[in-house]
Amino acid sequence: DADVTQTPRNRITKTGKRIMLECSQTKGHDRMYWYRQDPGLGLRLIYYSFDVKDINKGEISDGYSVSRQAQAKFSLSLESAIPNQTALYFCATSDPGSNTDTQYFGPGTRLTVL
Amino acid sequence: QQPVQSPQAVILREGEDAVINCSSSKALYSVHWYRQKHGEAPIFLMILLKGGEQKGHDKISASFNEKKQQSSLYLTASQLSYSGTYFCGTENGGNTGNQFYFGTGTSLTVIP
Repeated sequence: DADVTQTPRNRITKTGKRIMLECSQTKGHDRMYWYRQDPGLGLRLIYYSFDVKDINKGEISDGYSVSRQAQAKFSLSLESAIPNQTALYFCATSDPGSNTDTQYFGPGTRLTVL
Repeated sequence: QQPVQSPQAVILREGEDAVINCSSSKALYSVHWYRQKHGEAPIFLMILLKGGEQKGHDKISASFNEKKQQSSLYLTASQLSYSGTYFCGTENGGNTGNQFYFGTGTSLTVIP
């Protein structure tokens, strides 16, 4: 079984709708991240969480919110989706017990906002 | 703070070598390298830590020049399976809660 899972894998929605993307992990890592990937722009950090009570904005957090329900679950919400949020979204985890933040990625969620 | 990668794209024939560079405007604690196949998640290749040695994995190796705030990924005798987009990721402060930044990626295509 995959260590980092994301649901849904694909989603098409309309402008103005609220969308939630979910991420679960069985790696036992405290740190979790949400990235979006756009062609030519690489991976950009939306939000990150170093434990259940610690949530931080990344470089492109506007229009997004997150919830860390448990160590293993980290959800990303788009309160009112807009077309330029169409992208591939990745969840990742890392282990603070190691001496650096190697990122382990989920399979991604492809979101299309019409 | 996003690291800059060069080249943006490269096409190789099987057996040829390639170098991908990653530069940061800030002092680096570590540099990570990832490879992403089309439609898949990025996969960790290797990490280079400040003060550490050059790393290698099969015919893929990397170096880290702390003074120049740069890292290079070397692909030797490339194989078809090396095709994909390569990303560097940088940490500025070690395990202190600093953000992790990815470069914009280098698309590498190996042709027969």
